[in-house]
Amino acid sequence: AQSVTQPDIHITVSEGASLELRCNYSYGATPYLFWYVQSPGQGLQLLLKYFSGDTLVQGIKGFEAEFKRSQSSFNLRKPSVHWSDAAEYFCAVVPWAGNKLTFGGGTRVLVKP
Amino acid sequence: DTAVSQTPKYLVTQMGNDKSIKCEQNLGHDTMYWYKQDSKKFLKIMFSYNNKELIINETVPNRFSPKSPDKAHLNLHINSLELGDSAVYFCASSPRDRGNYGYTFGSGTRLTVV
Repeated sequence: AQSVTQPDIHITVSEGASLELRCNYSYGATPYLFWYVQSPGQGLQLLLKYFSGDTLVQGIKGFEAEFKRSQSSFNLRKPSVHWSDAAEYFCAVVPWAGNKLTFGGGTRVLVKP
Repeated sequence: DTAVSQTPKYLVTQMGNDKSIKCEQNLGHDTMYWYKQDSKKFLKIMFSYNNKELIINETVPNRFSPKSPDKAHLNLHINSLELGDSAVYFCASSPRDRGNYGYTFGSGTRLTVV
């Protein structure tokens, strides 16, 4: 069955430390891949997306993600987190032949001072 | 200008009532969606319309009825509201080339049924 999984429900990181959020998908063909962020009480903001080409994708707010076909993964990274990065992060996928955007369960990021 | 706007932002109502949530996008996108986010933050698609035509209808109770008067608007009407309908409802839109441009979401409508 098609699915997208975020293995980590919560991650706590110190301000200034690096952050990596995991995302794995299970689709027959490589889907379109997205990362969204939801700050408390806010809507969903697109951080970055992958369609094809360079497997390292740069996004907004200093985030990047790496697509690894062999691992069916699209992990999100940030070298140095800021307190404002505390939020819920969602990986999402769309099959290349469809338009149904399916979300992972989300990872809540807490930032310690 | 807000790209995808939803009204109202908050909605508190009693069980059994009927309510509507409105959504409008000014991006010229072809497709619009309704998503439901439950108390555990899970986001699940409910409906999708492409140029006023229903193309995705997940297993949603018949009490939920989407309506798209034109491709810029997608409203959600809910009959006989139940406690379990309490959630945040997000409207979204996407262009034909969704892979390159992604999906744009509204700021959400927090529905509380008491």
